[in-house]
Amino acid sequence: AQKITQTQPGMFVQEKEAVTLDCTYDTSDPSYGLFWYKQPSSGEMIFLIYQGSYDQQNATEGRYSLNFQKARKSANLVISASQLGDSAMYFCAIMLPLMRGTGNQFYFGTGTSLTVIP
Amino acid sequence: EPEVTQTPSHQVTQMGQEVILRCVPISNHLYFYWYRQILGQKVEFLVSFYNNEISEKSEIFDDQFSVERPDGSNFTLKIRSTKLEDSAMYFCASWGGAGGGSNEQFFGPGTRLTVL
Repeated sequence: AQKITQTQPGMFVQEKEAVTLDCTYDTSDPSYGLFWYKQPSSGEMIFLIYQGSYDQQNATEGRYSLNFQKARKSANLVISASQLGDSAMYFCAIMLPLMRGTGNQFYFGTGTSLTVIP
Repeated sequence: EPEVTQTPSHQVTQMGQEVILRCVPISNHLYFYWYRQILGQKVEFLVSFYNNEISEKSEIFDDQFSVERPDGSNFTLKIRSTKLEDSAMYFCASWGGAGGGSNEQFFGPGTRLTVL
């Protein structure tokens, strides 16, 4: 079963507008972490934001915020005041602990390609 | 700002040859990972490494792959007999652990492997 689902292969947003990128996840483990990464055309993976499963408040990092709805198992990324430089692929990922307590495993979604229109 | 480094940035090899991809994780990190991203596709987990041994591996990580941390700083991925379908970007990542003060899994810039 897919651990992370991103249903929007491509999104467009007008510069200076806000955009929401969807992410849903599947786990029965009570302890997990949710991540969003940005991958520009140059290929590197850039960490954007993290939300722990026990965090009471939604995470925010500058123009990025994570709309965490635990009961619905969703972790949508909201980018406010979009900029041209935000055009990139965006990946949602979940970190799950390993049974033996020797670390964790990360599962990535298929990504959403965001294009910011001037 | 600490960073994960990877060498080479681009490796071209003939099918059937062995390649070694190198990574230097962040120095006080404890958990290390390799991922693969075939062009235009999602990032796929290959293997995680902790306390000098593999802690988890995916079905992609078959007998042609191996990892080691030979000298306490480098973390290498070896592909023994490369196939055309091994062509991909390979990312190394490291994490400090729950007591490491950060929840961020730091990614290296990647090595683009092209198998001819």
